[in-house]
Amino acid sequence: DVKVTQSSRYLVKRTGEKVFLECVQDMDHENMFWYRQDPGLGLRLIYFSYDVKMKEKGDIPEGYSVSREKKERFSLILESASTNQTSMYLCASSLGGTGGTETQYFGPGTRLLVL
Amino acid sequence: GNSVTQMEGPVTLSEEAFLTINCTYTATGYPSLFWYVQYPGEGLQLLLKATKADDKGSNKGFEATYRKETTSFHLEKGSVQVSDSAVYFCALSGGTSYGKLTFGQGTILTVHP
Repeated sequence: DVKVTQSSRYLVKRTGEKVFLECVQDMDHENMFWYRQDPGLGLRLIYFSYDVKMKEKGDIPEGYSVSREKKERFSLILESASTNQTSMYLCASSLGGTGGTETQYFGPGTRLLVL
Repeated sequence: GNSVTQMEGPVTLSEEAFLTINCTYTATGYPSLFWYVQYPGEGLQLLLKATKADDKGSNKGFEATYRKETTSFHLEKGSVQVSDSAVYFCALSGGTSYGKLTFGQGTILTVHP
């Protein structure tokens, strides 16, 4: 069965801290994505990766970076957390190579509170 | 650029009522269209999809038809259950590589017994 796991369900951090959110998929998928979910705004794409060590900016990359050293793992990094980064963060993966018709599989989300 | 607009919510219905959640889109080319559902405390999961015009996606009693002429992908269910209470997201993939999704703002559905 398809599985995407995220390292934490809830996190509380201080302003200015460096924050790491980890995501692991066990489906040998090529593509991985990080979104943030905010009420009334839906999901917005932060970054995605289509191969190991390959990444591209999404719609709202400012204040974030990512790392993909292994195919199954995709990390989101908040270089210096700010209160406006308080949100729900969702990781997803997809098989790739189907021209955009494939399903994305989502993790359960990490709810981050920055104080 | 691509965009998705969903009907404003929240939507509150009684069990066995008919459900429609409107979704319209703007996209270049020939997008694929999706409905994802998020149950309380969980991540999103695919509900149904359609990859070309006039296709109908269906799952768990839900249906949506890809209407290119009206750029719409409205979600319908004939008789909702309490267990359908969730947040519903319409999304499109613009046909470019990597399958990036553009999401609507989500519609909260609450079904009362």
